[in-house]
Amino acid sequence: QSVLTQPPSVSGAPGQRVTISCTGSSSNIGAGYDVHWYQQLPGTAPKLLIYGNSNRPSGVPDRFSGSKSGTSASLAITGLQAEDEADYYCQSYDSSLSGSVVVFGGGTKLTVL
Amino acid sequence: QVQLQESGPGLVKPSETLSLTCAVSGYSISSGYYWGWIRQPPGKGLEWIGSIYHSGSTYYNPSLKSRVTISVDTSKNQFSLKLSSVTAADTAVYYCAGAVAGSKFDYWGQGTLVTVSS
Repeated sequence: QSVLTQPPSVSGAPGQRVTISCTGSSSNIGAGYDVHWYQQLPGTAPKLLIYGNSNRPSGVPDRFSGSKSGTSASLAITGLQAEDEADYYCQSYDSSLSGSVVVFGGGTKLTVL
Repeated sequence: QVQLQESGPGLVKPSETLSLTCAVSGYSISSGYYWGWIRQPPGKGLEWIGSIYHSGSTYYNPSLKSRVTISVDTSKNQFSLKLSSVTAADTAVYYCAGAVAGSKFDYWGQGTLVTVSS
């Protein structure tokens, strides 16, 4: 059971817009910690896609965008392309008795129909 | 260009200690914000194992804390993971990653599959 909750799967047709949610709580996203998103193509290592809630690293298309509100964050992908089919993970921090620990969402598999 | 490369045995026996090293090139490990280990069991999601900060402080996943040690060797520009008393549940692809500015993992190794089996 992940601390951050993501839908197991989402799908969309080429050209469409999809969103992936990442729901946390007052001890992580709601505490003000940044949310980052990673894209994992099949058989490869995760790649940083969005950082600091809504910033794109150099080279990431502006079709990808992120937002955060309250205890949740979202990743939006517009103009869906076949190459976007991958697993997507959100990441943040959580304040626990052990200090600030890194937490990941359970991951969402995006299928391009 | 920053590159990370994991190395270590691909097969570990149950109850033994898993040891992996991550060699960093293109960046001084003592300059980075923090360095971490993340694993992914076959067909499952990402699980953070722990991180070591440039200050030397370490933070571990509470569920693994009693079995994990992460250390850094600045002279070799690498950091290491030791996970003791492994079981089949520790079978996973192990990734090393680096956060050079802020809390995001900017760079990732390609990952190495470690299988726990007798």
